[in-house]
Amino acid sequence: QKEVEQDPGPLSVPEGAIVSLNCTYSNSAFQYFMWYRQYSRKGPELLMYTYSSGNKEDGRFTAQVDKSSKYISLFIRDSQPSDSATYLCAMNPIQGAQKLVFGQGTRLTINP
Amino acid sequence: NAGVTQTPKFQVLKTGQSMTLQCAQDMNHNSMYWYRQDPGMGLRLIYYSASEGTTDKGEVPNGYNVSRLNKREFSLRLESAAPSQTSVYFCASLRQGAAYEQYFGPGTRLTVT
Repeated sequence: QKEVEQDPGPLSVPEGAIVSLNCTYSNSAFQYFMWYRQYSRKGPELLMYTYSSGNKEDGRFTAQVDKSSKYISLFIRDSQPSDSATYLCAMNPIQGAQKLVFGQGTRLTINP
Repeated sequence: NAGVTQTPKFQVLKTGQSMTLQCAQDMNHNSMYWYRQDPGMGLRLIYYSASEGTTDKGEVPNGYNVSRLNKREFSLRLESAAPSQTSVYFCASLRQGAAYEQYFGPGTRLTVT
């Protein structure tokens, strides 16, 4: 079993829809949770990160962590065609450990 | 400020050939990484370097070697390329003290025939 599981999709939704992307994990030591966005033929870029449990909001994006269920989510409100990309979750046990564990990535397409 | 740069962008090798992928960062980061990305597999860590002069194996190190030439540069070498090494390779560096903000290069698309 992989430490981090993420549905690779693809996921296709109409413009304006609310998108929910999810990852599950098995290592209870994970403390830092990140979402990276990767456009086609580009390197990943950090979108958001959260520490421990709770929610974090940044514009149309909300990251949610439920450590009791070992489940993290990224919500995109009012989705735009420019949000079409692959979204990767990533996790790390403690600050300074320096090795992230990535999910497989979910390919998302927002249709105009 | 160019961030993380990688060369070459594309490469085609025959089985058994060798090559070195180059990576450089101008952000004064201590830690650097090499990943490979394959469809359905996500990013898999090949090697990383926590600081100049140190390197450690990641998840999939077999068939690769690395050199941390100085603080800026971290190269990945394939001594005898195999078709299983066909992939997209990403170099990354880590911003010190941040919550794991890794900066990635644009990638090298390698095909081994």
